[in-house]
Amino acid sequence: DTAVSQTPKYLVTQMGNDKSIKCEQNLGHDTMYWYKQDSKKFLKIMFSYNNKELIINETVPNRFSPKSPDKAHLNLHINSLELGDSAVYFCASSQDYGTRDRYEQYFGPGTRLTVT
Amino acid sequence: GDSVTQMEGPVTLSEEAFLTINCTYTATGYPSLFWYVQYPGEGLQLLLKATKADDKGSNKGFEATYRKETTSFHLEKGSVQVSDSAVYFCALSRVGFNKFYFGSGTKLNVKP
Repeated sequence: DTAVSQTPKYLVTQMGNDKSIKCEQNLGHDTMYWYKQDSKKFLKIMFSYNNKELIINETVPNRFSPKSPDKAHLNLHINSLELGDSAVYFCASSQDYGTRDRYEQYFGPGTRLTVT
Repeated sequence: GDSVTQMEGPVTLSEEAFLTINCTYTATGYPSLFWYVQYPGEGLQLLLKATKADDKGSNKGFEATYRKETTSFHLEKGSVQVSDSAVYFCALSRVGFNKFYFGSGTKLNVKP
C-alpha cells in the first residue's frame, strides 16, 4: 500500500538510449511532480501536472517528456540519454496546490539513473 | 524570487547532543514552510510544517518556529539519536503557486 511508487528503483543504461520511469500514487491527489536530485543532493523541479494537465515545465531539455495518462500516474520518458542525466529522479504528489493546508508533497522512493 | 538558504553540512554530533539547523527564506506574500528528511537510499518525507507566522511545527522531537521578522525557520531537537542521521531539507511554498523551493539540504551525522 505504498503511497507514491516508482519503477524501476535502479536504471543503468548507455548513452544514446531511450528510457522511461513510471510513477503511480494511490493517495487520490490531483497534482504530481518530477524532481531531479544531483550528486550534491540539490533538488530541482522539472515538471508538474494537475489533473493530467501540464502546469510547470522548468528549463529542462526537450529530450525529457512527461506523460500523465490519468491523475494517478505520471511517467517520464528520456530520449538520447547523456552522461549528465545521471541522477536520482523523484516523483511526488500533493492533494491540491491552491489550499494552504493541502499541498504538502509526498515523495516516491526515487529512481537512480546511471548513464555510462 | 522565492528562495531558501540552509546552513551547509555536514553537521556531526554525538548522541544526545542538541541540534540546530538554520534555514532562512526569501519570499513575497505569506509562504508556508516545511522541513523534509531524507534517510539514506529513500525519498523525502515531510517532517513538520508551519503555515503562518509564529506557528510552531513539531514531530518526533523536532521543532521549528515560523519567524516572519527574521524570515527564518530553524530546525531544533533537544537530544539527537543515531537514527536521526539523514539529510534535512528546508522548503517553502506559496498557496496557488504549485511550486516548492527547496534548500540545498544539510547532512546530519550522529555518532554513538
